[in-house]
Amino acid sequence: EVQLLESGGGLVQPGESLRLSCAASGFTFSTYTMNWVRQAPGKGLEWVSSISGDVATIYYADSVKGRFTISRDNSKNTLYLQMSSLRAEDTAVYYCARGSISKAYFVYWGQGTLVSVSS
Amino acid sequence: QSALTQPPSASGSPGQSVTISCTGTSSDVGGYNYVSWYQQHPGKAPKVMIYEVSKRPSGVPDRFSGSKSGNTASLTVSGLQAEDEADYYCSSYAGSNTLVVFGGGTKLTVL
Repeated sequence: EVQLLESGGGLVQPGESLRLSCAASGFTFSTYTMNWVRQAPGKGLEWVSSISGDVATIYYADSVKGRFTISRDNSKNTLYLQMSSLRAEDTAVYYCARGSISKAYFVYWGQGTLVSVSS
Repeated sequence: QSALTQPPSASGSPGQSVTISCTGTSSDVGGYNYVSWYQQHPGKAPKVMIYEVSKRPSGVPDRFSGSKSGNTASLTVSGLQAEDEADYYCSSYAGSNTLVVFGGGTKLTVL
């Protein structure tokens, strides 16, 4: 059974940093593209970032480019999102999702972790 | 403002059919056959119901169907059931620059 478990969310002040993790199990992690998708409170979904299984291809949404860094440790079956220079508009539930970015198809989702940016 | 336009709400009685639209442009919905639909119950993660416009993942009831005409994709839920009440989001591939866009979501109410 595919499982994705996010962690690392919390309350931070504007300008601070935070690192999210997503522990994966139930599939061969290194062979799949992984993604981060977020959802602001009461709002819709927004794709944030994507990383291929071999780490060769990385993409970011314009809204986070230059501030967020996606990475993965295939030996630990874990996906990361390093977030810096956080803004109030980054407040959201962050979901880890396995899927194809080129087909806009996210098959498996974690339960999400809440990031709140407020002074 | 979301890149894809969905009606904020839709409703139907049990057993009826409801169709939710998702309007984009020739740069996303109209340009690729990569439209997905997601169902999200309150406090839960999204679940994919349709991918590549009209394909259903294993386990999704055949009451859910997808289609596309020009720049507008549609999700139809037939034989509405109480458990279908949820938010529904569409997404589309949008090319090598933007990559993925989502709709703003539609709240489906089963009357």
